[in-house]
Amino acid sequence: EAAVTQSPRNKVAVTGGKVTLSCNQTNNHNNMYWYRQDTGHGLRLIHYSYGAGSTEKGDIPDGYKASRPSQENFSLILELATPSQTSVYFCASGDAYWGGGQNTLYFGAGTRLSVL
Amino acid sequence: GDSVTQTEGPVTLSEGTSLTVNCSYETKQYPTLFWYVQYPGEGPQLLFKVPKANEKGSNRGFEATYNKEATSFHLQKASVQESDSAVYYCALGGGNSAGNKLTFGIGTRVLVRP
Repeated sequence: EAAVTQSPRNKVAVTGGKVTLSCNQTNNHNNMYWYRQDTGHGLRLIHYSYGAGSTEKGDIPDGYKASRPSQENFSLILELATPSQTSVYFCASGDAYWGGGQNTLYFGAGTRLSVL
Repeated sequence: GDSVTQTEGPVTLSEGTSLTVNCSYETKQYPTLFWYVQYPGEGPQLLFKVPKANEKGSNRGFEATYNKEATSFHLQKASVQESDSAVYYCALGGGNSAGNKLTFGIGTRVLVRP
């Protein structure tokens, strides 16, 4: 079954440490996305990618990097984690735009990150 | 840029009563509009989407009409069940070359009491 899988599901990190969140999709979608979810803000886009080797800045990219080494994998990297980055992070995949409208995004189950 | 405004939650109601979650949007494009639902411990999943103005989408008893004049996409259900307890997100997608991104509202937590 096609799916988006995130790892780890839970992570506790120290301030100033490096954190890598991983995402794997078997949907064969070109596009992948990283969102964070916070109460009062909903889902906000951090980075996205059109395909292997490509990364683009979303709406809130500061403090985050992204890496897309292959069609299936997309990572989110926090080089110097801060407590403000405590959140739930969701990865998603989706097909490229088609003439009939915006395609659906398919989400993973999320990673809960706490930065102490 | 694009924005989505939706009912602030939580919305608490009893089984068998009707639900409305308001959603309005701002964009300069011709978007596709979405409703996503998120159950505890899971990621958001598509409830339904509507790519064209003046059309209605529906799924699992939920429905919403894409009202371009009013820039609204309100979610309705005539008779809710306890299993409808979840967070509901309204979203819009630009559908152009600008990354196929979705812009989400803040989410509305719905609690249905038995």
